[in-house]
Amino acid sequence: QKEVEQNSGPLSVPEGAIASLNCTYSDRVSQSFFWYRQYSGKSPELIMSIYSNGDKEDGRFTAQLNKASQYVSLLIRDSQPSDSATYLCAVNIPAEGNNRLAFGKGNQVVVIP
Amino acid sequence: DVKVTQSSRYLVKRTGEKVFLECVQDMDHENMFWYRQDPGLGLRLIYFSYDVKMKEKGDIPEGYSVSREKKERFSLILESASTNQTSMYLCASRGNIETQYFGPGTRLLVL
Repeated sequence: QKEVEQNSGPLSVPEGAIASLNCTYSDRVSQSFFWYRQYSGKSPELIMSIYSNGDKEDGRFTAQLNKASQYVSLLIRDSQPSDSATYLCAVNIPAEGNNRLAFGKGNQVVVIP
Repeated sequence: DVKVTQSSRYLVKRTGEKVFLECVQDMDHENMFWYRQDPGLGLRLIYFSYDVKMKEKGDIPEGYSVSREKKERFSLILESASTNQTSMYLCASRGNIETQYFGPGTRLLVL
């Protein structure tokens, strides 16, 4: 089983609509969860972090975490063409002495004007 | 603001050459990472380091080595570059709060 899975294919949304992205993870002891945005040819940029069950809102972005079901989601409200990018889900994998992030393969979002 | 810099944005090398990719962070972070990113394969961890002179293998260390002589600098070395090492290489650093920041990336082409 992959550590972090993002299974949806490319997502096309009209401008102004809500884009919804989902991510599942396998390690039950993970406590930290992140969403990164990556524009084509650029490096990933952190947009959201979430540590507790429930919702966390930051501007037009909302992250949702459900540890019992082991999923994290990202909602983008009022989608803009500038939101067109690949979104990477990342989960902290604890290990003795150090820890690392496991990344999903990403979901491409295309916002259509 | 955290700043992670990488020595080159674009690099072209020939098969068999030794390649050095350097990464510097200015936030006194303990943890540093090297990834490569390829279409359809996502981000793959090559090596990471959680302290000076310490290194740990990631998921795909074969053909690579690393060096961390100073806390702020983490180097990735391709001992003998091969065409299958053509990729985007991303360095990242993270402090104790677990938020990880990426450098701008180096796009390496091996001919």
